[in-house]
Amino acid sequence: AQTVTQSQPEMSVQEAETVTLSCTYDTSESDYYLFWYKQPPSRQMILVIRQEAYKQQNATENRFSVNFQKAAKSFSLKISDSQLGDAAMYFCAYEGTSGSRLTFGEGTQLTVNP
Amino acid sequence: DSGVTQTPKHLITATGQRVTLRCSPRSGDLSVYWYQQSLDQGLQFLIQYYNGEERAKGNILERFSAQQFPDLHSELNLSSLELGDSALYFCASSVALRSRNYGYTFGSGTRLTVV
Repeated sequence: AQTVTQSQPEMSVQEAETVTLSCTYDTSESDYYLFWYKQPPSRQMILVIRQEAYKQQNATENRFSVNFQKAAKSFSLKISDSQLGDAAMYFCAYEGTSGSRLTFGEGTQLTVNP
Repeated sequence: DSGVTQTPKHLITATGQRVTLRCSPRSGDLSVYWYQQSLDQGLQFLIQYYNGEERAKGNILERFSAQQFPDLHSELNLSSLELGDSALYFCASSVALRSRNYGYTFGSGTRLTVV
């Protein structure tokens, strides 16, 4: 079974600075997708960024980018120019070949200090 | 508003009772997924329906059941409730059976408290 591990329960960053959230996963599949979701206090799960495993190029969405290391099974999220609105719980998630479920990590609570 | 509607937003009930959680997917989406978010288990996949049929099952207890109706809304039924069933229950929808190419849209969840 696939597992997703986020080793940082909490992280903090100063406003306008850069922070990196870590995620590792375990799978025997070669074809899969990886996601970062954000859950603010409103509880809404919001997709931040998505990476397809067969793509070498790291995904980027505005201030959010990933460092995808397939061989190391690592998928970290970098948030540049952090804003107060970035404060939230961040979940790393995996979806495999079946395409019918997400496996989530434990989450990292990000605090942004003004 | 994500387009996925979950009702009720909050529910408080006693142990041993039965409740029904409702989800209306985003317009045009055929797949509905249910997830449970609890403090001790994290976010876990429960079950998926696609166009009215059950397509995948996760860590769903036998006391729980779900269905998707012809109008594509889905209901998650939780019975013989225990304190440990207290959690946030999410519904997500997607346009396709294999949703990873298209992404998921999550509702804002139903907070269930069992007392």
